[in-house]
Amino acid sequence: DVKVTQSSRYLVKRTGEKVFLECVQDMDHENMFWYRQDPGLGLRLIYFSYDVKMKEKGDIPEGYSVSREKKERFSLILESASTNQTSMYLCASSLLWEQFFGPGTRLTVL
Amino acid sequence: EDQVTQSPEALRLQEGESSSLNCSYTVSGLRGLFWYRQDPGKGPEFLFTLYSAGEEKEKERLKATLTKKESFLHITAPKPEDSATYLCAVQTGGNKLVFGAGTILRVKS
Repeated sequence: DVKVTQSSRYLVKRTGEKVFLECVQDMDHENMFWYRQDPGLGLRLIYFSYDVKMKEKGDIPEGYSVSREKKERFSLILESASTNQTSMYLCASSLLWEQFFGPGTRLTVL
Repeated sequence: EDQVTQSPEALRLQEGESSSLNCSYTVSGLRGLFWYRQDPGKGPEFLFTLYSAGEEKEKERLKATLTKKESFLHITAPKPEDSATYLCAVQTGGNKLVFGAGTILRVKS
């Protein structure tokens, strides 16, 4: 079974802090994704990566950056957290088309 | 712009009362349509992939169908454990998915 793990289930940070969300997959998948999920808006793609050290912007990249130094690890970085970044963050990986998701990190920015 | 619309937003059923969820889409070139189930506080769990109009997939009480403009997720004789949010997503170019907002299903015993 594909396993995607995320570093924290719940996180509380203050405005202006730098925040790191980590995601690890154990199935040697090429593709990895970061989404945020907000009520009524569904999942929105922040960034994705097709390969190590490669990244592409999704639909809402502003205020975020990513890092993929190793194939199995994809990190999302909030350079200076703001209250409008309070959300559920979901990481996913895929080999072909089907994406497999981690359990999510619920981030609250105060 | 690629768009996915799910209806209804929420659905309440009695145990055993069959129904359908709808996912309509407007995309430039459909490569695949995906259904996911999401329980509260958890990540989405993959259910089905449909690639072409007329295709059907089944899993226990769930059956997904696809036409050129929409997909249906049919739930036959649902049980309380089927309560969840059901998400639909379409794949167009590349490996990106466009998600609908989801349908929240509640099944009461």
